[in-house]
Amino acid sequence: QVRLVQSGAEGKEPGASVKISCKTSGYTFTSFYIHWVRQAPGQGLEWMAVINPSGGGTTYAQKFQGRVTVTRDTSTRTVYMELSSLKSEDTAVYFCTRGRYRDYVDFWGQGTLVTVSS
Amino acid sequence: QSALTQPRSVSGSPGQSVTISCTGTSSDIGSYNSVSWYQQHPGKAPKLLIFDVTRRPSGVPDRVSGSKSGNTASLTISGLQAEDEADYFCFSYVDTYVFGTGTKVTVL
Repeated sequence: QVRLVQSGAEGKEPGASVKISCKTSGYTFTSFYIHWVRQAPGQGLEWMAVINPSGGGTTYAQKFQGRVTVTRDTSTRTVYMELSSLKSEDTAVYFCTRGRYRDYVDFWGQGTLVTVSS
Repeated sequence: QSALTQPRSVSGSPGQSVTISCTGTSSDIGSYNSVSWYQQHPGKAPKLLIFDVTRRPSGVPDRVSGSKSGNTASLTISGLQAEDEADYFCFSYVDTYVFGTGTKVTVL
């Protein structure tokens, strides 16, 4: 079955970077895009970025341009999201989710809580 | 790209129907059929309910339906049940990907 398993919770200080992993299984890795979505406490869902695992091409939300980097390792079927220059407002649960080209997402990871605090 | 607009909350009694709107512009929802809907219970990952405006994935009951008129997409839940109490989000692609602001459904 399709599974997306994310790395564990992280605690970071302001100004630091965080790198979260999303290990996939149960489908052809290069046939679906992987998105990153975050949800601040008590807030809605916010789309951040997407990667095409086939060629590695990425698209980032304008809000995160210059601060977010998404990469993939096809040998381990894993996608990574790195967010730099962390601020307290980046405290959120970060989800990876599998998607179709310019269309919906279906399977989701369990979420990774990132807490930014001094 | 601004977030798509949803009502903050809707409510209904068991057995009733509720409809959640997702309003965009003629440049996004009005022009494309890539609207999907997700249900999220507290502390859980979202779950896909509707894709491509009206299509249901396997396992989603037919009392859940989607539609679109002009710049507004809608999700209707009929025969409301206690387990329908959750947050609901729409999602679309236009130049970039964007979620709706989210709607809390309360079962009275």
